Order: sequence, then C-alpha cells, then structure tokens
Amino acid sequence: EADIYQTPRYLVIGTGKKITLECSQTMGHDKMYWYQQDPGMELHLIHYSYGVNSTEKGDLSSESTVSRIRTEHFPLTLESARPSHTSQYLCASRWQIGEAFFGQGTRLTVV
Amino acid sequence: GQNIDQPTEMTATEGAIVQINCTYQTSGFNGLFWYQQHAGEAPTFLSYNVLDGLEEKGRFSSFLSRSKGYSYLLLKELQMKDSASYLCAVAGQAGTALIFGKGTTLSVSS
Repeated sequence: EADIYQTPRYLVIGTGKKITLECSQTMGHDKMYWYQQDPGMELHLIHYSYGVNSTEKGDLSSESTVSRIRTEHFPLTLESARPSHTSQYLCASRWQIGEAFFGQGTRLTVV
Repeated sequence: GQNIDQPTEMTATEGAIVQINCTYQTSGFNGLFWYQQHAGEAPTFLSYNVLDGLEEKGRFSSFLSRSKGYSYLLLKELQMKDSASYLCAVAGQAGTALIFGKGTTLSVSS
C-alpha cells in the first residue's frame, strides 16, 4: 500500500488568497511530482523534484511554486489564487526506477 | 521532447478482450507504465515494462517493443468495473520527468 498523503482533500477559497497544498510520503522516494488535472482531461505535469533542494517546472505553465527541503515533503504554493486555478492537483512519488504512487489528490475550487 | 499517443475512446462488452495501444517518442527510455483511473479518483498502477516482451498480471497484460516505440495493454474477461480511463506513461532519460498520455476512456457494456 502506497504511503503518500495529500491535504486537504477538498478546498474552497476566495480569489487572491495564498494557499499551500501539502504532499508527504513515507517511502523515502527521491522523485516527487505535481500534476494538474481538470475533470475528464489529461494529467499535466506542473512541477517535479529529484531530491532535496532540486525542483523543476513541468510542461504546463503554472503560477504555483514548490519547495523540497525534506525528502518526504513536497508542498505546492499558490501566492494569489484565481478561478483559473480551479482543478484537481495530484502528487506522486517514485524511486529511480519503478512505478509512481499517487496521493488521493486535492480538489481546489477558487471562487 | 516526449510525445505519447493513445486512442481517445474505446468500447467493449462484458467478457470480451480489449487491446489499448500506446505509441511514444522519447529522448532516452527508462520504462513504460500503465495506470487505471476512475472518474474523480487518483490513478492506480497496473503494469510496468522496461524490457521488450509481455508482462502478465491476472486479467491484465502489457507488451513493449522499444525499437518500435510501442506498447499495448490487454484486458481480458472484461467486467463493468473496468470502465475507466487507461493512461500510458513514459519515463525518459535520467533527468526527465514521468509524462502521461491523454488517456483512453474505456466503456464496458453488458
């Protein structure tokens, strides 16, 4: 069973607010990823990390930022939320080889 | 860059066999993955191929040909609960991320 957790599961927030989506894994995985997915649509990679102090932007332009200060923790921050940020955000982690494990996701609604 | 193609939609009936194809182009290759995703849920891992050939796991099998940049997922004895989106993902060369295709929505009818 995968040990990767995302909080909160659901979040409704007003425009202009700063929010941080949490992702933690207890498997000691080096690689961690953030994906954005609208209902019925594809997964878009927005950020990834290969280890502590390593972060890269993905293919989808995003106004969010990430940090990787500890191996197990990979939070995603939106400095000023907008309605266009409404989506599901999925965090995943994996070893150097092998499959990625996904968290349950955070469904964000910006009103 | 990386490019992954798979059909958008497929339909099948209960008890049948269905094959979902995936073609990819990557700079380097470190494995191909298949995931299942039900609506509103996170993807769950189905199979992993890094060498050419067939990997079998119960009702699900996955095949890889690295020289052709081609994989397929084979689902046997289809059940209604197999109605879901099936995602093909590729890990490129070291230093690149895990990229997903757009997914194939499979509808199983009775």
